[in-house]
Amino acid sequence: QVQLQESGPGLVKPSQTLSLTCTVSGGSITSDDYYFSWLRQPPGKGLEWIGYIYYSGTTYYNPSLNSRVTISVDTSKNQLSLRLSSVTAADTAVYYCATWLLLHGYHDYWGQGTLVTVSA
Amino acid sequence: DIQMTQSPSSLSASMGDRVTITCRASQNINRYLNWYQQKPGKAPKVLIYDAISLVRGVPSRFSGSGSGTDFTLTISSLQPEDFATYYCQQSYNTPRTFGQGTKVDIK
Repeated sequence: QVQLQESGPGLVKPSQTLSLTCTVSGGSITSDDYYFSWLRQPPGKGLEWIGYIYYSGTTYYNPSLNSRVTISVDTSKNQLSLRLSSVTAADTAVYYCATWLLLHGYHDYWGQGTLVTVSA
Repeated sequence: DIQMTQSPSSLSASMGDRVTITCRASQNINRYLNWYQQKPGKAPKVLIYDAISLVRGVPSRFSGSGSGTDFTLTISSLQPEDFATYYCQQSYNTPRTFGQGTKVDIK
């Protein structure tokens, strides 16, 4: 059973860069069964797909965030990371990491989510 | 981007009711449609993939139908644990867009 745990600062100042890490346990980030994803959910609102990465480094990003987002993997630590630059209050959200099962095309394992607030 | 539109945005129902939620895609997505359930403070949980396929372990009272642009999630007999928000998501292409959600609460 794959488990995912997000970590990172809960408060980021406007214009700065949001950085989060997702630690994968119970499975390998080099698995060819999955893409590893980031999603977010503003308080009281719906889900937004940020992007995902294959362990080889291939990435797909949401064009609405494309110029500000970077997703990377550290295979030695079994971790994936998210960097979102030039944040504003609109980036305040619960951020989730999740697996994307390639065989069937859905997010099957999720982290618990971490709230990031953008505020001065 | 493919736009996903759910209706209704919310509904009130009683235990034992049959509940239907619809999801419409802005273009043909064949059967590349997932349904998720989310409870307050929790991550979403996948229920159905490929429009009609039940994920292992999900109760059979959940079912999905549709293809092309119009899809339906049906709960045949609402149980206490089914009060939650439901989201559709297209898996046809990236970005993997979601509907805005349908909140199911107690009448």
